[in-house]
Amino acid sequence: KAGVTQTPRYLIKTRGQQVTLSCSPISGHRSVSWYQQTPGQGLQFLFEYFSETQRNKGNFPGRFSGRQFSNSRSEMNVSTLELGDSALYLCASSFGPRTGGTGELFFGEGSRLTVL
Amino acid sequence: DAKTTQPNSMESNEEEPVHLPCNHSTISGTDYIHWYRQLPSQGPEYVIHGLTSNVNNRMASLAIAEDRKSSTLILHRATLRDAAVYYCILISPTGAQKLVFGQGTRLTINP
Repeated sequence: KAGVTQTPRYLIKTRGQQVTLSCSPISGHRSVSWYQQTPGQGLQFLFEYFSETQRNKGNFPGRFSGRQFSNSRSEMNVSTLELGDSALYLCASSFGPRTGGTGELFFGEGSRLTVL
Repeated sequence: DAKTTQPNSMESNEEEPVHLPCNHSTISGTDYIHWYRQLPSQGPEYVIHGLTSNVNNRMASLAIAEDRKSSTLILHRATLRDAAVYYCILISPTGAQKLVFGQGTRLTINP
């Protein structure tokens, strides 16, 4: 079956702009989580959605937001972009809310954002 | 949120076993221990997970200490394709927890 699909794969924005990234989970998966990966900070948790509800949020400013649709697809938005927002943004899907710890997360290949 | 500690880097030779350690001294009784790896230019991929008992799958083995405060991922015969960053993370069965990946261990395999 198809894996987790993230679009766009690459994008370049300028400071002050906003960006929306999309994540289509594996068919049947209802949980989507988002992560930011930078060379300095590593992989950091942004937020997690299950059945259109945000279940948890990482320590990121309010400029970072997300949502999940009824078909489980998810989007994340970053407003008023800063240079430090340049990163690889990864999403992961699982059947349940992290499958109760017993299953695996399936990651997409990420969206690489460059802020100039 | 429970955290894990891993060595920044490790090096091994092709076709030799590799033991990747992970400390998680603040693990709760219900946390599952998961391992993921990230190959260059790819998203992380699942390797293995366990709760209390040692686990084996086609990719690796997971050895969990009796007190569950540490675990070891074992690659039985490393190949060049195993060169990656390996992450040890703890996942609560409730799922309502911020996942903490840490910096992981960068594994280099020498031919």
